[in-house]
Amino acid sequence: DTEVTQTPKHLVMGMTNKKSLKCEQHMGHRAMYWYKQKAKKPPELMFVYSYEKLSINESVPSRFSPECPNSSLLNLHLHALQPEDSALYLCASSRGQDTGELFFGEGSRLTVL
Amino acid sequence: GNSVTQMEGPVTLSEEAFLTINCTYTATGYPSLFWYVQYPGEGLQLLLKATKADDKGSNKGFEATYRKETTSFHLEKGSVQVSDSAVYFCALSEGGSYIPTFGRGTSLIVHP
Repeated sequence: DTEVTQTPKHLVMGMTNKKSLKCEQHMGHRAMYWYKQKAKKPPELMFVYSYEKLSINESVPSRFSPECPNSSLLNLHLHALQPEDSALYLCASSRGQDTGELFFGEGSRLTVL
Repeated sequence: GNSVTQMEGPVTLSEEAFLTINCTYTATGYPSLFWYVQYPGEGLQLLLKATKADDKGSNKGFEATYRKETTSFHLEKGSVQVSDSAVYFCALSEGGSYIPTFGRGTSLIVHP
């Protein structure tokens, strides 16, 4: 059982919708990550939060907006997405930003119509 | 920059066969090395890791040894099961950023 919980597991949205993906961990980890994964590809890093502050933004379009309300929660707000944004969105956490040992959630499968 | 090269898949085996998935890396310093596994419909899970040269990581019958002289971290298992069917990602992490660099992934299909 994963200790990183993501909701929803599946999301279908139109290009004009606003939706959010949510991620929660209770392992006391202080770094949290959003990744995007296309089929048959490795995950691509989008954002990293360290101690609730955004530390890395991999030049992600502004239609993706991350938020870290507290040390256990991470959100990804979606607005005006494009069909090519359809993918599996993975949340991960780690003890700190000083390790490559990540704990992943099961992902949110997003389809943009 | 850092990079990880994995063998192209899919790797197709019969149950109880021996598995090797090759992984080589390029890094500027002394990275930690990881194998992650992604089962169908799931996120990635850490399978094993090694933090310095000659370390052997092991878990669930899988093993990999950190070989600095050949810059390799090949994944092996003596007898695969159908339940091992998944995509396996080799990754490295190095001081400074520590964000893992992933290889392309290798799909393993095990037939009964």
